[in-house]
Amino acid sequence: GAVVSQHPSWVICKSGTSVKIECRSLDFQATTMFWYRQFPKQSLMLMATSNEGSKATYEQGVEKDKFLINHASLTLSTLTVTSAHPEDSSFYICSARDSRGQVIQETQYFGPGTRLLVL
Amino acid sequence: AQKVTQAQTEISVVEKEDVTLDCVYETRDTTYYLFWYKQPPSGELVFLIRRNSFDEQNEISGRYSWNFQKSTSSFNFTITASQVVDSAVYFCALSEVQGAQKLVFGQGTRLTINP
Repeated sequence: GAVVSQHPSWVICKSGTSVKIECRSLDFQATTMFWYRQFPKQSLMLMATSNEGSKATYEQGVEKDKFLINHASLTLSTLTVTSAHPEDSSFYICSARDSRGQVIQETQYFGPGTRLLVL
Repeated sequence: AQKVTQAQTEISVVEKEDVTLDCVYETRDTTYYLFWYKQPPSGELVFLIRRNSFDEQNEISGRYSWNFQKSTSSFNFTITASQVVDSAVYFCALSEVQGAQKLVFGQGTRLTINP
């Protein structure tokens, strides 16, 4: 099956710093990628839809100036948490859609996630 | 708006018991997809199944089976002869068929299989 990677897998940073998380589709091209956030013992909440070459579409309540998304190529999307604070500590998961439009069961392939801890 | 409800927050059973995880959804779309995912302690989501709204056939895959009832907007998941390795959080999800196909997840059910 298709593989999506995320880097880093975990990160600890000081409050006020910015953190960049990369999401890569390794063996397919993805015009659309999604970013989710999951707090402990909670569900996955969609933060934004990232489209290659255009601005991301953010879900209601997600600050676009705080969570910068760049989808510069068909295999890479990045999420930058700017001026991170302890309340931003969470598990961030990306997913990617295969742009070939094949009829596949999964529709989205998920990355392994990035655990962010802001001190 | 789309919504998925998993009323069971936590379930604990003894190994070899059968267990059913409930999922109820709401959508105004006439066509849609339903999914089940498994999230083990490592955090990575594992895809289990996708069901199209127009296909109400139940599905069985080994010890897993799914019951889709469009009339009651439910898509329940049953594990037969549960094993300790089945312990995880299970999410039911819903997406549109057209457009971005964004996934809406239920709250998840934490399943613990005790030896």
